[in-house]
Amino acid sequence: AQSVTQLGSHVSVSEGALVLLRCNYSSSVPPYLFWYVQYPNQGLQLLLKYTSAATLVKGINGFEAEFKKSETSFHLTKPSAHMSDAAEYFCALRYSGAGSYQLTFGKGTKLSVIP
Amino acid sequence: GAGVSQSPSNKVTEKGKDVELRCDPISGHTALYWYRQRLGQGLEFLIYFQGNSAPDKSGLPSDRFSAERTGESVSTLTIQRTQQEDSAVYLCASSGRLAVDEQYFGPGTRLTVT
Repeated sequence: AQSVTQLGSHVSVSEGALVLLRCNYSSSVPPYLFWYVQYPNQGLQLLLKYTSAATLVKGINGFEAEFKKSETSFHLTKPSAHMSDAAEYFCALRYSGAGSYQLTFGKGTKLSVIP
Repeated sequence: GAGVSQSPSNKVTEKGKDVELRCDPISGHTALYWYRQRLGQGLEFLIYFQGNSAPDKSGLPSDRFSAERTGESVSTLTIQRTQQEDSAVYLCASSGRLAVDEQYFGPGTRLTVT
């Protein structure tokens, strides 16, 4: 069975500080991994995705994530937080084999940015 | 172009009533997904349509839930005899047919069962 664990339901950082949102996964086969962002009262927007090419993936708004197979992790980082980064972030996994392509989501991490 | 749209944006219903939620996917997207997001939880997969193939209904929580899709267009999610635990945001997403294709999400329908 596949699963995604996000450590910390709520993370607070100061404006300009490093953002680190943690995601660990469990999968029987190499997965595809995604980070989505959800702003208040909006749908989910893709930040970045890992699909077995480069292990360091760059996304929109200055975010990046590194796939580490040995640690089964896909943590999301941004060097300098901006007020507009305040949102909820979801890590998700998709089975890379044949079949149904639904996403398995973590429970989300709400990011607050303190001015 | 237009994104995924969902209607209604909000729905309040009494326990025991049936509700229908609608999703209009991005034109040309063959795959369509329904997810449920309960307060404080991640998204739970409900059902997946891919072209004219039989849908994957493995995520539907009970037989009160059903969904239909006409070809590669509109989908409706129906919840019969609603219960308070059905209160959630129901999100629809569409994508191309490949596993690597991004899923584009609609804004969701917030369902409140009183």
